[in-house]
Amino acid sequence: EVQLVESGGGLVQPGGSLRLSCAASGFTFSSYAVAWVRQAPGKGLEWVSVISRSADSTDYADSVKGRFTLSRDNSKTTLYLQMNSLRAEDTAVYYCAKLGAGAFFDYWGQGTLVTVSS
Amino acid sequence: DIQMTQSPSTLSASVGDRVTITCRASQSISSWLAWYQQKPGKAPKLLIYKASSLESGVPSRFSGSGSGTEFTLTISSLQPDDFATYYCQHYNSYPLTFGGGTKVEIK
Repeated sequence: EVQLVESGGGLVQPGGSLRLSCAASGFTFSSYAVAWVRQAPGKGLEWVSVISRSADSTDYADSVKGRFTLSRDNSKTTLYLQMNSLRAEDTAVYYCAKLGAGAFFDYWGQGTLVTVSS
Repeated sequence: DIQMTQSPSTLSASVGDRVTITCRASQSISSWLAWYQQKPGKAPKLLIYKASSLESGVPSRFSGSGSGTEFTLTISSLQPDDFATYYCQHYNSYPLTFGGGTKVEIK
């Protein structure tokens, strides 16, 4: 059974940093690209970032480019999202998601809430 | 960036109704489109990929069609478990974008 378990969310002040983790199991982690998708309270879905299977390629939404860094450790089957210079508009539930046979998301974690507020 | 526009934003329907949701892309995306269902407090669930391919385990009352810029998600006979919000997402190129969502409510 594919499982994606996010952790690391919480309350942080504007300008602060947070590191999210996503522990994967139930599939060959190193064979798939993985991504983060977020959802602000009461709003729709927004793709944040994606990383290739071997971590040699990453891409980011313009809204987070230069502030967020995505990485992965295939030996630990874990995905990381380092979030710096956080803003109020980054407040959202952050979902870790596995890509299918294309850049769509066939499995999702349960999400972790990030709240940026003073 | 490719913009995805869904309509309607809210839909009221009864159990047994046939329901159709439309998603339009701001430029051609071939068939690189996915549909998701999301219930309150839960993660989205993949229903359809490549515009019309049904994800394993998804009931056959769900179907997708379209190509280019116009796509539809159809629920042939709405069931109580189907009341939820539905999102389309293109994967033609980065950045990936989602439609604004369609909330299917009980009439």
